[in-house]
Amino acid sequence: ETGVTQSPTHLIKTRGQQVTLRCSSQSGHNTVSWYQQALGQGPQFIFQYYREEENGRGNFPPRFSGLQFPNYSSELNVNALELDDSALYLCASSSSRVRAASWETQYFGPGTRLLVL
Amino acid sequence: RKEVEQDPGPFNVPEGATVAFNCTYSNSASQSFFWYRQDCRKEPKLLMSVYSSGNEDGRFTAQLNRASQYISLLIRDSKLSDSATYLCVVTAYDGGSQGNLIFGKGTKLSVKP
Repeated sequence: ETGVTQSPTHLIKTRGQQVTLRCSSQSGHNTVSWYQQALGQGPQFIFQYYREEENGRGNFPPRFSGLQFPNYSSELNVNALELDDSALYLCASSSSRVRAASWETQYFGPGTRLLVL
Repeated sequence: RKEVEQDPGPFNVPEGATVAFNCTYSNSASQSFFWYRQDCRKEPKLLMSVYSSGNEDGRFTAQLNRASQYISLLIRDSKLSDSATYLCVVTAYDGGSQGNLIFGKGTKLSVKP
């Protein structure tokens, strides 16, 4: 196990609702990245947090937002849910001494399966 | 053109077979390269990093060709437990980004008895 946990494991929402997903990073890790994986696709980068600051964002609309807390756990919030938001949401934690470290291994949590009806 | 392209498969092979997966990437600034393995309805797990000199881990061999922007994974003596989706992953750091992982869609491998 990677030591990265996510909650909840499954979630069903309806269009227009809002959702908050949570991630606890591995002990000692200061960086959390969030990914969306639609069925049959590879994970797509949403955004990354490094030491409580957003550290890059993928091609997702502003209704996808996040936070990182002083203990380096993180939340992903999605407003105004759409049917296409149905996916597996993965968080990954890593430990970086510098702000942008592409070489650090990212460890994934088990994901949250979101279904939007 | 997609940033990372893989043959989606599926590759159906008998136990003991050798199977090779290929992957191409479009961003020449890509700096780090990985193969991840993802079991059905599970999270991706790092299989191995890929270096220009090539690297081997037991039955698994990964190769990188920066000039052709091409990555490969070779699995020898396939086991039933190797059945999974194999994801080719690259990162890029261009001074403004953070080295996020860019995934291919994955290649599905099914090893049969």
